[in-house]
Amino acid sequence: GAGVSQSPRYKVAKRGQDVALRCDPISGHVSLFWYQQALGQGPEFLTYFQNEAQLDKSGLPSDRFFAERPEGSVSTLKIQRTQQEDSAVYLCASSLVRGNGYTFGSGTRLTVV
Amino acid sequence: KQEVTQIPAALSVPEGENLVLNCSFTDSAIYNLQWFRQDPGKGLTSLLLIQSSQREQTSGRLNASLDKSSGRSTLYIAASQPGDSATYLCVFSGSARQLTFGSGTQLTVLP
Repeated sequence: GAGVSQSPRYKVAKRGQDVALRCDPISGHVSLFWYQQALGQGPEFLTYFQNEAQLDKSGLPSDRFFAERPEGSVSTLKIQRTQQEDSAVYLCASSLVRGNGYTFGSGTRLTVV
Repeated sequence: KQEVTQIPAALSVPEGENLVLNCSFTDSAIYNLQWFRQDPGKGLTSLLLIQSSQREQTSGRLNASLDKSSGRSTLYIAASQPGDSATYLCVFSGSARQLTFGSGTQLTVLP
């Protein structure tokens, strides 16, 4: 597609439920980021991929968060045993190469009840 | 640690005014700086990308400049319109892998 596609657009999860958020980057884009944006706050870094390699996962808030990009294209962010503080918009961004500028998806709004 | 600061935090102007949004950064090792707008509840829309070798970029009513020596970038919006109302973010890409986001300027253009 022409842009970065994220699904689902909205997700409501009961506390303790596992969720999986999908990011479909622009075809051929090597770099991929995940960011978490709480209400009224700026985006916070979660993790970075270069192709299939997860080069930086220092922003993942706990071991309940896991991200993968097995074939270097689609990426999935998984959150296990969701908690209320996980409620946020999860943004994905991709770039052809580092330094080329990034395209962001529309985000997935996760609400944990 | 890279810090990106945006001034002002909020701005309200009448329609038709020209305005300037400011972004400053502390790390001179810059790859590029990108300006985005974010509408409430939406993702980030890229406005302008300035590579480290460039001094400015223009798109329609928007002009962004980059001064690496002073660690500053400005976004100039000409003849503002109510549809320009949004939060504007400058995003720094440098030697660290992470993108560094500014705190944002919330712009309201009054009809």
